[in-house]
Amino acid sequence: AQSVAQPEDQVNVAEGNPLTVKCTYSVSGNPYLFWYVQYPNRGLQFLLKYITGDNLVKGSYGFEAEFNKSQTSFHLKKPSALVSDSALYFCAVRHLNTGGFKTIFGAGTRLFVKA
Amino acid sequence: KAGVTQTPRYLIKTRGQQVTLSCSPISGHRSVSWYQQTPGQGLQFLFEYFSETQRNKGNFPGRFSGRQFSNSRSEMNVSTLELGDSALYLCASSLEGWDQPQHFGDGTRLSIL
Repeated sequence: AQSVAQPEDQVNVAEGNPLTVKCTYSVSGNPYLFWYVQYPNRGLQFLLKYITGDNLVKGSYGFEAEFNKSQTSFHLKKPSALVSDSALYFCAVRHLNTGGFKTIFGAGTRLFVKA
Repeated sequence: KAGVTQTPRYLIKTRGQQVTLSCSPISGHRSVSWYQQTPGQGLQFLFEYFSETQRNKGNFPGRFSGRQFSNSRSEMNVSTLELGDSALYLCASSLEGWDQPQHFGDGTRLSIL
């Protein structure tokens, strides 16, 4: 079955430290990969995507993500965390199946950045 | 450019009733998708519409239906509401192209009493 896993329900980091939010996936073919962020009482906001090319992609608010095909992973990273980065982060995979393209979201990882 | 607009933001209904939620996509976006978000199940795909046609459907019962109008606005209907339908319903629009990111509205929070 096609799936997206975010193995950590919660990640805690101190402000100024680097952060990593993990994502692995299991889908057939070559999927498109996305990261979104959700703040309280808001919808999801697009951060970045990987379609093809360089394995390291840069996105909004200083975030970047590294695609690793052999490990089927797409981890979200930021060199220096801010308190305002505290939010819920979703990894998403868009893949082709019999009904057309579908998007699967991970369960989400809650990031807490402590001052 | 205005973002995705969902109305209403909050809704309270009782079991057995039906409800219609509305979504106005970003201008120029013809793809509209609907998701159900709950603490226990996370984000679950309901359906996707493109140019007034349902292009994809998730694993929800037939009580959940939708449609898209010629101006790309979309509505979602849930009939015979159950307590388990309490959730945040999110609408997302995107440009044509499978590599395009989705732009989400702030959702409609539906509570079933």
